[in-house]
Amino acid sequence: SQQGEEDPQALSIQEGENATMNCSYKTSINNLQWYRQNSGRGLVHLILIRSNEREKHSGRLRVTLDTSKKSSSLLITASRAADTASYFCATANAGNNRKLIWGLGTSLAVNP
Amino acid sequence: DVKVTQSSRYLVKRTGEKVFLECVQDMDHENMFWYRQDPGLGLRLIYFSYDVKMKEKGDIPEGYSVSREKKERFSLILESASTNQTSMYLCASRPYRASNEKLFFGSGTQLSVL
Repeated sequence: SQQGEEDPQALSIQEGENATMNCSYKTSINNLQWYRQNSGRGLVHLILIRSNEREKHSGRLRVTLDTSKKSSSLLITASRAADTASYFCATANAGNNRKLIWGLGTSLAVNP
Repeated sequence: DVKVTQSSRYLVKRTGEKVFLECVQDMDHENMFWYRQDPGLGLRLIYFSYDVKMKEKGDIPEGYSVSREKKERFSLILESASTNQTSMYLCASRPYRASNEKLFFGSGTQLSVL
């Protein structure tokens, strides 16, 4: 079953602009993870944020988590054409750590 | 870096054939997973394995079976392929320490069943 819901479903921006993607979920979580998938390839882990964390940075990526709203956002700053990909959030639910629950993804196009 | 290798990038099979999708990881991970990915449906878990010879059904196990005889290898078997099993299949692995560890994915196998 899908819990995470990303929005927007698709996003098109110019190189150098910032891209923000959001993820909402329904149940209590242990952590939330973001992954990137280039067209026709496997997923690559970007960042993991735990339920007791509010913000995390990794290079040009910034992730926030608001457990009261059951939502997370992924910000990519100074985007590049190489950032063009689909981005997925996945949650590890409290009480069942074994399976991740995946969203349907946001398709990001960064135009040169 | 962890490497998860799926044996084929593209595979074309006929309806009724028995299909084997192989996945090998080189980091001694206990947990391994098979997902399928379809447009509009996202990633759906088919089977996962906690360790050698251990397996558990995911959300959509019907029409599939798995084998984990060695720690590094996790095979997905389509006993009698059908057209509705045309999909992208993704293998993933992670260490035993539950879901606080990220998943490492292979490059995927795009399977077409004609």
